[in-house]
This record gives sequence, C-alpha cells and structure tokens, in this order.
Amino acid sequence: ETGVTQSPTHLIKTRGQQVTLRCSSQSGHNTVSWYQQALGQGPQFIFQYYREEENGRGNFPPRFSGLQFPNYSSELNVNALELDDSALYLCASSPPTGPNTEAFFGQGTRLTVV
Amino acid sequence: AQRVTQPEKLLSVFKGAPVELKCNYSYSGSPELFWYVQYSRQRLQLLLRHISRESIKGFTADLNKGETSFHLKKPFAQEEDSAMYYCALSATITGNQFYFGTGTSLTVIP
Repeated sequence: ETGVTQSPTHLIKTRGQQVTLRCSSQSGHNTVSWYQQALGQGPQFIFQYYREEENGRGNFPPRFSGLQFPNYSSELNVNALELDDSALYLCASSPPTGPNTEAFFGQGTRLTVV
Repeated sequence: AQRVTQPEKLLSVFKGAPVELKCNYSYSGSPELFWYVQYSRQRLQLLLRHISRESIKGFTADLNKGETSFHLKKPFAQEEDSAMYYCALSATITGNQFYFGTGTSLTVIP
C-alpha cells in the first residue's frame, strides 16, 4: 500500500503566473483535501474532492481551483499567483468509511512566489 | 465559523515531567476534535481523535464541551515526544475537513 505522494516537492514561480500541484491519493482512498500552510501557521483548508466533485471549500478565492480524476488523484491549480501564496501545500486523502476517518497527509509541495 | 486556538507556540518540559498542550475551540455545531503530530522531517500524522477515547503513545485528550477545550496530556514526557502538535476540528456533517490551530512546538529536555 503506497502513501500519499505529491509533486513537485519544491517550486518557484513569478507573481502573476499559474501553477499546478499534483497529488496521488493513498490506495483505496476516494477523498482528497488540499491545505495551505504558511510559515509558522497551521494548515488551512482549501477544498475537498470526493468522487471527482468538490465537496466543501474553505475561505479561498476562486483563483484556487482543483480537479479529481477517476483514479482519485488530484490537482490544485492557482491562477494569478500572489506573493502571499508562498506556502507549503499539503494534500490529504481519506478512505470511504465515514465522517471521522483519519486523513493521511503527503509531504507537501513548497511553493515560493517571487 | 470555526476556530481552533493553541495559545502556546513553544513549550519545553523536562523528561519525565507531565506535559499539557492546550487547545480551545469555537464552533456552533457538533465538532469532532483531533490531535495531529509532525515529528522532525516526517509528514503530519494523526495522534488521536476524541471519538475513539484512546490513549496513543501515552497521550490522552478529553473533550470538555463546557469549556470548549481539548487539551492533550501525558503524565511523563519522553524525548521522542519532541515534535509539532496541531489541534484540529472537523464538523460532524462534513467529516474530515479539518480546521487546524497554529500548533505548539514541544521540546522535551533530557
């Protein structure tokens, strides 16, 4: 059984550009959530995908968007990058067994916007 | 709106001493509370959840709805407990969509 994997591990982008981050969920997990973790802060919930549909969204603008594919892997897209988007982006997957199941986190993608 | 507060950013205790990491929350509905831990160079992982009423690695946490708290406790700290600890809340209805506190960095001094 493989864990949650994210790519790339590090990324540098210029303000105004667009970025796509990728996440492969753990085997058997059909729910994927994305979090943004700024330096010195806890992870902040961006959105969640369940069976390829958005299933909840945190307080993030529309330029943060996502996709989930039939194999339950997921992408996070951020348009019009701003300096404040610099953060660690975490992906977490969960198995399809109810509301209080554990979320398994990836190692994260460190995004730097210059 | 939901909010999780961890008042201590840093906490140091001596090995063998009791440790308590504080967590307070606000949420209008019925929350589920969790503690996640991140050891050095490792990914974030679940430590315990209140609904299981379990003890993991000697840690326990009791949900106090009157005080809206979910403090994490261990009677005798070990050096391997040094890590970053995050308290998290999820709404029962939406499930595993977590709202995290800012975290407490625990250092256990040998």
